[in-house]
Amino acid sequence: QVQLQESGPGLVKPSETLSLTCTVSGGSISSYSWNWIRQPPGKGLEWIGNIYYTGTTNYNPSLKSRVTISVDTSKNQFSLKLSSVTAADTAVYYCARALSEFDLFFAYWGQGALVTVSS
Amino acid sequence: EIVLTQSPATLSLSPGERATLSCRASQSVSRYLAWYQQKPGQAPRLLIFDASNRATGIPARFSGSGSGTDFSLTITSLEPEDFAVYYCQQRSNWLLTFGGGTKVEIK
Repeated sequence: QVQLQESGPGLVKPSETLSLTCTVSGGSISSYSWNWIRQPPGKGLEWIGNIYYTGTTNYNPSLKSRVTISVDTSKNQFSLKLSSVTAADTAVYYCARALSEFDLFFAYWGQGALVTVSS
Repeated sequence: EIVLTQSPATLSLSPGERATLSCRASQSVSRYLAWYQQKPGQAPRLLIFDASNRATGIPARFSGSGSGTDFSLTITSLEPEDFAVYYCQQRSNWLLTFGGGTKVEIK
């Protein structure tokens, strides 16, 4: 059974860079798309972007200038960096895997990591 | 960007009743639409993909229908554990988007 686990600081100062890592267990990261999704408190879901094991990335245009997603196949991990954060970036950040190699529906999710942007 | 509009925002029903949730896309997404259930403090759970296919382990009381721009999720007889927020999501193009959600609450 595939499991995903987010890790990283829960508090980030304004203007700094948010960094999270998703560790994948129970399966290889060397297939499928690996995604980051966030949810501000009490609000809906926003797709941030994804990466394939080849390193190919896609980003939401609303965040593209600030986002970098990378993959480390040797550690079965992928990571998110979001620069120049503001209070509007406060959210629960989820990592998620697609249902299959050929679609972009999210069948496997991490438990979520709350990141608060505050000084 | 494809905008997904869900209605109603809140649905107040009693256990045993039928729930019908709607998701409308701003342009055709063919059948590339999924439904998720989210309970407080939990990650979303995939219920339906490709408009009408139930994900593994999802009870038969959940069904999805539609194509193009109009979709629905039906729960035939609400169980206590079904009271939650439901989101639709499209993958018609590479910019993945979610609807704003429908909260199904106990009446």
